[in-house]
Amino acid sequence: GAGVSQSPSNKVTEKGKDVELRCDPISGHTALYWYRQRLGQGLEFLIYFQGNSAPDKSGLPSDRFSAERTGESVSTLTIQRTQQEDSAVYLCASSLQGFTGNTIYFGEGSWLTVV
Amino acid sequence: GENVEQHPSTLSVQEGDSAVIKCTYSDSASNYFPWYKQELGKRPQLIIDIRSNVGEKKDQRIAVTLNKTAKHFSLHITETQPEDSAVYFCAARAGSYQLTFGKGTKLSVIP
Repeated sequence: GAGVSQSPSNKVTEKGKDVELRCDPISGHTALYWYRQRLGQGLEFLIYFQGNSAPDKSGLPSDRFSAERTGESVSTLTIQRTQQEDSAVYLCASSLQGFTGNTIYFGEGSWLTVV
Repeated sequence: GENVEQHPSTLSVQEGDSAVIKCTYSDSASNYFPWYKQELGKRPQLIIDIRSNVGEKKDQRIAVTLNKTAKHFSLHITETQPEDSAVYFCAARAGSYQLTFGKGTKLSVIP
């Protein structure tokens, strides 16, 4: 597609359930990023993929969070046993390569509400 | 790691006036500084960026300045219009990949 696509766009889940968020990066982009944005807050880095490898998982807030990427394309962010504090917009982004100066393009985000 | 501070957190200006948003960064190795605009409920979109070998860059009504010695950079919007109302994020990038964002500035342009 022309841009970064994310699904679902909105997700309401019960506390304790698992959720999966999907990201389709721009075709040909080898670098993929996940950020979290709480309501009215800035962008919090979660994880970065170069190809299918994740050299930096330092931003994942707890072991309930995991992510994978396959085929140097689609990525899935999984949150297990969701908590109310997980409610946020989860933004995926991609860039041509993970190098300084390459523009990072964001998707529209997946709005997660844990009730 | 990198730390980016952004000020002010909110800014209101009259239509036609200028707006200035300032950011400081901590990692002297940072060499790429983009600015993103995020309208309510929308994705952040790149509006301008600057690399560390340049002191200033302009694109129509938008300009960014960089002072590497002082480790700060600023966004300048002239002749503001209501459609400039949004949240603006600065960011800094050191090394190969990770962008560290400021906490954002909510700009309101009053007609």
